[in-house]
Amino acid sequence: GENVEQHPSTLSVQEGDSAVIKCTYSDSASNYFPWYKQELGKRPQLIIDIRSNVGEKKDQRIAVTLNKTAKHFSLHITETQPEDSAVYFCAARMNQFYFGTGTSLTVIP
Amino acid sequence: KAGVTQTPRYLIKTRGQQVTLSCSPISGHRSVSWYQQTPGQGLQFLFEYFSETQRNKGNFPGRFSGRQFSNSRSEMNVSTLELGDSALYLCASSLDSVNTGELFFGEGSRLTVL
Repeated sequence: GENVEQHPSTLSVQEGDSAVIKCTYSDSASNYFPWYKQELGKRPQLIIDIRSNVGEKKDQRIAVTLNKTAKHFSLHITETQPEDSAVYFCAARMNQFYFGTGTSLTVIP
Repeated sequence: KAGVTQTPRYLIKTRGQQVTLSCSPISGHRSVSWYQQTPGQGLQFLFEYFSETQRNKGNFPGRFSGRQFSNSRSEMNVSTLELGDSALYLCASSLDSVNTGELFFGEGSRLTVL
């Protein structure tokens, strides 16, 4: 089956700086790569996603890039704000969703 | 439009007992999938139900089972509970099969096994 690895597991940045979270996957048949944000005590919510026929997607301060050849995709958050503090999960879909182990992002005011 | 609803939100059980968790998907969604979330392990896929049929199953022992009703509501059951079953159990609904749709999560049922 698919295997998704996510790094780093924890990340602290100063407010206004950028944050980058990276994920790798193993199965080239995976075709959809969403990112979820989970605030403390709340449900995971989709923040951005990318399909395998697209290399990059941007939504305001958030962007995702996909390198199919290298089988990795990354989440980029620019101009971070304290409300960006949360756990972020990447996932790859191949018949089912396979999730990374999460990155706990702390934005220091 | 109401979101995904899970009940109960919190429960405490002892080893050897069994538990049933319920999930009501977003109206019109036909797929429900279940995940176990533990610290450091992320979300582990348990199973997916689509139109009352189990389509996929993760690598969990047979003590974990589920079903889906004709109104798309789903239940999962864990029998003979073990300490390691303590986790947040999340369900997610999708308009269509997980092969095509975005997942919408519920707030989870937090199970503590003593």
